[in-house]
Amino acid sequence: AQSVTQLDSQVPVFEEAPVELRCNYSSSVSVYLFWYVQYPNQGLQLLLKYLSGSTLVKGINGFEAEFNKSQTSFHLRKPSVHISDTAEYFCAVSDGRGGYQKVTFGTGTKLQVIP
Amino acid sequence: DAGVIQSPRHEVTEMGQEVTLRCKPISGHDYLFWYRQTMMRGLELLIYFNNNVPIDDSGMPEDRFSAKMPNASFSTLKIQPSEPRDSAVYFCASRSDSTDTQYFGPGTRLTVL
Repeated sequence: AQSVTQLDSQVPVFEEAPVELRCNYSSSVSVYLFWYVQYPNQGLQLLLKYLSGSTLVKGINGFEAEFNKSQTSFHLRKPSVHISDTAEYFCAVSDGRGGYQKVTFGTGTKLQVIP
Repeated sequence: DAGVIQSPRHEVTEMGQEVTLRCKPISGHDYLFWYRQTMMRGLELLIYFNNNVPIDDSGMPEDRFSAKMPNASFSTLKIQPSEPRDSAVYFCASRSDSTDTQYFGPGTRLTVL
């Protein structure tokens, strides 16, 4: 079965510093990978997704992620964070077994940007 | 488009009462998903529909939970009777067959006293 592990539940980082949020997945078949962001009291919004092709994926708000098949990872990065990036970030996976219909979410990483 | 619409945004009820959560997906979307989010268990898929037909309800926790989609523009998630452990934020999401992206509603925060 597909699964996702987000290794850090909370990540504090100073404003304008770089950040990496880690995500590892488990699946025996080809996968789609996603990063979503959730601001307080809101639903989840898509940041970026990997379906196929280039392993470096660029998303909104200056975020990017790199798909590494050998490491089964899809880490999210931003070179310089802003206060407005404070939110919870979810990594998610769907695999071909179910026709990519079901998405399994990680437990989330809370990014706290410190002024 | 207005996006996925959920109502109510907040619901406070007493144990044993029936609770009905509502969702209007984005027009033209073929799939509708119900999720539950708690601190302890994170975001869990409860059930999803394709063209109004339930495809996978393996995430529905117990018989007290039921979901329906009578037409392409409306779905309900009902809990009867409700219990304090059902307190959570319930999200509805939809997606079209031509995209892999799920679009989430703002959620319904349910508190069962």
